[in-house]
Amino acid sequence: AQSVTQLDSQVPVFEEAPVELRCNYSSSVSVYLFWYVQYPNQGLQLLLKYLSGSTLVKGINGFEAEFNKSQTSFHLRKPSVHISDTAEYFCAVSRGRGSTLGRLYFGRGTQLTVWP
Amino acid sequence: KAGVTQTPRYLIKTRGQQVTLSCSPISGHRSVSWYQQTPGQGLQFLFEYFSETQRNKGNFPGRFSGRQFSNSRSEMNVSTLELGDSALYLCASSGQAGPDEAFFGQGTRLTVV
Repeated sequence: AQSVTQLDSQVPVFEEAPVELRCNYSSSVSVYLFWYVQYPNQGLQLLLKYLSGSTLVKGINGFEAEFNKSQTSFHLRKPSVHISDTAEYFCAVSRGRGSTLGRLYFGRGTQLTVWP
Repeated sequence: KAGVTQTPRYLIKTRGQQVTLSCSPISGHRSVSWYQQTPGQGLQFLFEYFSETQRNKGNFPGRFSGRQFSNSRSEMNVSTLELGDSALYLCASSGQAGPDEAFFGQGTRLTVV
């Protein structure tokens, strides 16, 4: 089974400051990597994903993430946050598509709180 | 294009009862997955259906079951409800048999009293 570790359960930051949300995963095989955001009483919205190719992935709302295979990490970054970025962020992995490979394994989440 | 629709949004049930939750995927999507979200356990995979067949199953007791219809709509059922079943249940639909194009619904908040 895969495991995903989000190293910080809570990250407080001031508006317009940069932020990094950390994610490490355990796998000896190739994986697909995802970051999702969840606003209160809502479902999950995909921010970005890494399937293959360039290790720097750009997503919506100004977020980006870098896949580091040697460190098995997929950290999420934003150079300047807004109050509207306050939400819970989930890192997830899957081993691929179809059959038993297609399920998502989620980290425990990081609550990002942006203060004015 | 309509998103993933889950009904109902909120539900309150008594211990011992059973409940059925519904998920209508995005038009054309054939894969539907279900996840349970709780503060204690986080997001956990329940099962995945593709073309009416269960393709993948998580580690949940047999009280949790699901099915998918020919129009790709899916239902999950929980029998003999326990307090610990209180959770947000999320459904995700995908255009391929995998998560890389998955879209999530807003969830059904189940409270067991």
